Amino acid sequence: GQSLEQPSEVTAVEGAIVQINCTYQTSGFYGLSWYQQHDGGAPTFLSYNGLDGLEETGRFSSFLSRSDSYGYLLLQELQMKDSASYFCAVLTGANNLFFGTGTRLTVIP
Amino acid sequence: DADVTQTPRNRITKTGKRIMLECSQTKGHDRMYWYRQDPGLGLRLIYYSFDVKDINKGEISDGYSVSRQAQAKFSLSLESAIPNQTALYFCATSDSRTPNTEAFFGQGTRLTVV
Repeated sequence: GQSLEQPSEVTAVEGAIVQINCTYQTSGFYGLSWYQQHDGGAPTFLSYNGLDGLEETGRFSSFLSRSDSYGYLLLQELQMKDSASYFCAVLTGANNLFFGTGTRLTVIP
Repeated sequence: DADVTQTPRNRITKTGKRIMLECSQTKGHDRMYWYRQDPGLGLRLIYYSFDVKDINKGEISDGYSVSRQAQAKFSLSLESAIPNQTALYFCATSDSRTPNTEAFFGQGTRLTVV
């Protein structure tokens, strides 16, 4: 089976940096993705790591360590609009996309 | 127009009724998925399909069935709805040819079973 663990809630100050961790156990692994979901909205894709290392896209970066079954999403220069839920998701050996339970990020002034 | 369209957006139905949720896409993607979302439980995979002739069960398929009528259409049925199937349902698509496997989601269907 599959399991992903990520913190349920994180609070950070506007302008700061926050890291959301994700550890996974899966039968077969191709890569780790991150999605953002605002309240009442649909999840939207942020990033994908198929190889170890850091991927950077603007204020957001994502990291993967296959040997540690671990990844994280790094959000820099936090803005109020970054308040949302963030989900890590693994692409499994069966080629399906399996999501974690999500981390609710609250950005405070 | 949205690339991934779900209908209806909201539905209230009675216990024991059959209900179908529909999803259509204009992205030309081969892969389609149905997820349900419950507070605190994230997105759980119900069924997925890699092409018209390929249907696979996800982690919570009991009580659900699907039909891939065409590459662009993937419908989810609840044969006899029960209250614990009250949830937000999302359809998603992805393209097997893209290495990042980005999934595109519909706007969701909020289903209430009373």
